[in-house]
Amino acid sequence: NAGVTQTPKFRVLKTGQSMTLLCAQDMNHEYMYWYRQDPGMGLRLIHYSVGEGTTAKGEVPDGYNVSRLKKQNFLLGLESAAPSQTSVYFCASSPDSDVSYEQYFGPGTRLTVT
Amino acid sequence: GQQVMQIPQYQHVQEGEDFTTYCNSSTTLSNIQWYKQRPGGHPVFLIQLVKSGEVKKQKRLTFQFGEAKKNSSLHITATQTTDVGTYFCAGVSGYSTLTFGKGTMLLVSP
Repeated sequence: NAGVTQTPKFRVLKTGQSMTLLCAQDMNHEYMYWYRQDPGMGLRLIHYSVGEGTTAKGEVPDGYNVSRLKKQNFLLGLESAAPSQTSVYFCASSPDSDVSYEQYFGPGTRLTVT
Repeated sequence: GQQVMQIPQYQHVQEGEDFTTYCNSSTTLSNIQWYKQRPGGHPVFLIQLVKSGEVKKQKRLTFQFGEAKKNSSLHITATQTTDVGTYFCAGVSGYSTLTFGKGTMLLVSP
């Protein structure tokens, strides 16, 4: 099992450009999450999904959109990138239907917006 | 909203010394989880505590959940260089999602 994978690993965008980050998991997990990690700020939840076809906002959702068309994939979109979105983005998944179960994280995507 | 505070932000110890990080929540938690993130890596789940006053051990690591379920601690006995990384606590309150603390960065000098 590959676990949780993320593509791309690194990306540099210019202000105003758009991009999509892809997260895939092969553990048949119901819950998936997108976090951003900034120095000294810990992990902050952007959006999450409790199952295929569902999404919900987290703590810092502005400027991002997500989709969960397939159970194994969770996409994070930036429609018009801003320098404030420079960060490391982590995807995570958790089993079952309880948010308190342990989360499995992907390796992260380092995004720089100039 | 729910806030999870972690102290200290950073600690530098000599190999063999003990280390403790503390986590405090503004609300009562249904459970608390601990994660470790190595430099340049991703967070990895260590343990989950659910019961009031619960204590769990993993080799040199001891995790505690407070009686009021609003605080937790992670204690490492006799640190090793392999313990280097950032330790995060993350709490769940009610039906909300996990809220992460800002983490404690541990540096261990040989």
